[in-house]
Amino acid sequence: GQQLNQSPQSMFIQEGEDVSMNCTSSSIFNTWLWYKQEPGEGPVLLIALYKAGELTSNGRLTAQFGITRKDSFLNISASIPSDVGIYFCAGQRGYGNKLVFGAGTILRVKS
Amino acid sequence: DAGVIQSPRHEVTEMGQEVTLRCKPISGHNSLFWYRQTMMRGLELLIYFNNNVPIDDSGMPEDRFSAKMPNASFSTLKIQPSEPRDSAVYFCASNSAGGASTGELFFGEGSRLTVL
Repeated sequence: GQQLNQSPQSMFIQEGEDVSMNCTSSSIFNTWLWYKQEPGEGPVLLIALYKAGELTSNGRLTAQFGITRKDSFLNISASIPSDVGIYFCAGQRGYGNKLVFGAGTILRVKS
Repeated sequence: DAGVIQSPRHEVTEMGQEVTLRCKPISGHNSLFWYRQTMMRGLELLIYFNNNVPIDDSGMPEDRFSAKMPNASFSTLKIQPSEPRDSAVYFCASNSAGGASTGELFFGEGSRLTVL
């Protein structure tokens, strides 16, 4: 079945540092999305990517849709304490297909 | 605007009891999804509805699980009888695209189920 490999599993960084995480797959996805989940809450959509090679920003967050369509990256610049949470990548093969989630990257920020 | 509303937020029950989780999607959204989240398996899609019709229930673990959507503003996920391995956080999500055409989902806050 379709699987997404998300890394790293967790990160503990100093406030102000930049963060990078990625997601890879052996299958092609036509949509990549990044969600953030805070404790006791449901996931919230951060960025959606629809074209190979696309680079999209949302404030301090930047995500890229890999040119091979088998990977995606999320970068957070100048991290702050409220960036703490679990970041999930998700992929969709095509219109009407189910969303597949990665296992998540746990981000902790030391202030 | 109200988001996806789930109830109860927490439920503790004993093995063998019936559990009913409820969801009110965002008004105007025509697709509704039930997910289960555990440490071991992450986020798993259980079932989704489009225009109140179940489209794909292949993720429903077994016959003890059932889901209904009697109208556009309400859905239930029922477990009967419940077992300790059903302990998880159950999320409801909705979107306004046709079926699962986009992955842009709006999640509720979840229902944390503990089966003793």
